[in-house]
Amino acid sequence: EVQLVESGGGLVQPGGSLRLSCAASGFTVSSNYMNWVRQAPGKGLEWVSILYSGGNTYYADSVKGRFTISRDNSKNTVYLQMNSVRAEDTAVYYCARKQDFYRNHDAFDIWGQGTMVTVSS
Amino acid sequence: DIQMTQSPFSLSASVGDRVTITCRASQSITQYLNWYQQKAGKAPKLLIYAASTLHTGVPSRFSGSGSGTDFTLTISSLQSEDFATYYCQQSYSTPFTFGPGTKVDIK
Repeated sequence: EVQLVESGGGLVQPGGSLRLSCAASGFTVSSNYMNWVRQAPGKGLEWVSILYSGGNTYYADSVKGRFTISRDNSKNTVYLQMNSVRAEDTAVYYCARKQDFYRNHDAFDIWGQGTMVTVSS
Repeated sequence: DIQMTQSPFSLSASVGDRVTITCRASQSITQYLNWYQQKAGKAPKLLIYAASTLHTGVPSRFSGSGSGTDFTLTISSLQSEDFATYYCQQSYSTPFTFGPGTKVDIK
């Protein structure tokens, strides 16, 4: 079965760090475009970061310089290292695969269940 | 960055109604436009990609159209399981921005 399972969320103090994990099954993360998308309580969806199969990474301006996306091919797992967190980083964080359907028309086709991150003192 | 807007913000409808949601991009994204459905407490689900292509397993009552800057999502006959929030999202360039969402609830 193709699925993504996130873990690692929790309560963290402002300025602290947290690492989220996203374990994939049924496909290989290194061959796919893996993303993090977040949703603040009661708010809409915000794309956070992408890790391309070739290794290139991109970030939303709101997290650039603070968050790092990476993967461990041996564990078929993607990570989001969150440093210098702020109250506005409080959200459910989803891991999502971006599938290239044809001619670069791609979309987030597989999503995890999400993991909650709360930044508060 | 490309900004995405949606209208209406929310709507109330009855089972069997035809529902149309509009999405607009701040610049041309040709047909790099996707639609998602999200139910409360759940992860989003992909409905439509490339503006008009139905994702595998999505009922045919859902359809999408548009190109350039203006797009629509139509539900031809609303079913009880369709009450949810719908988001458009551009895949033209990073950051891959989403619209603010349209909540569809029961009249």
